[in-house]
Amino acid sequence: EPEVTQTPSHQVTQMGQEVILRCVPISNHLYFYWYRQILGQKVEFLVSFYNNEISEKSEIFDDQFSVERPDGSNFTLKIRSTKLEDSAMYFCASSLSFLGEQYFGPGTRLTVT
Amino acid sequence: SQQGEEDPQALSIQEGENATMNCSYKTSINNLQWYRQNSGRGLVHLILIRSNEREKHSGRLRVTLDTSKKSSSLLITASRAADTASYFCATVEETSGSRLTFGEGTQLTVNP
Repeated sequence: EPEVTQTPSHQVTQMGQEVILRCVPISNHLYFYWYRQILGQKVEFLVSFYNNEISEKSEIFDDQFSVERPDGSNFTLKIRSTKLEDSAMYFCASSLSFLGEQYFGPGTRLTVT
Repeated sequence: SQQGEEDPQALSIQEGENATMNCSYKTSINNLQWYRQNSGRGLVHLILIRSNEREKHSGRLRVTLDTSKKSSSLLITASRAADTASYFCATVEETSGSRLTFGEGTQLTVNP
């Protein structure tokens, strides 16, 4: 069964450093998402991406964040200058249709020290 | 209450019993999706129910949706120890594109 994959599973970085989180969505899906879950808190939406552009973003997704689909398979989330409060589990999700099921990857645990 | 609030926060049952979890939300929705999350792991999609649907089944799962009460329930029948996990409802609001808004979740423990 096709699934969303994410790398790395765990990333440790120092405050102020740039990180790139990688995702491979399900191959025929068209809508891509990033969410995050701070430990002990709710899953929060960050950004949605369709047709090579951002379709929606939350207030969390400020200028420090960017997303890219550099080729036909990868979908990346870049944080330019990480802060301690960026420590969280980051989930990528993909969907075949606009209001369809969103399938999540296993997540990348980002720890900013 | 917040969008996508689950009730109860925690539920402990014996294997073989049924588990019912409830979710309430505040705004009009396009659909509601239920997910399972094992501790520290990813979110597994369980079922999607659209705003014009009232009930859906998938294996041992039964989901209902009452848009007049802005609530949904997830019933797991004949529970197993492997069902132990956190369960979340997530709504796609009519005015918020396709983003999912998650609740706090219900922690289900199924005792063998």
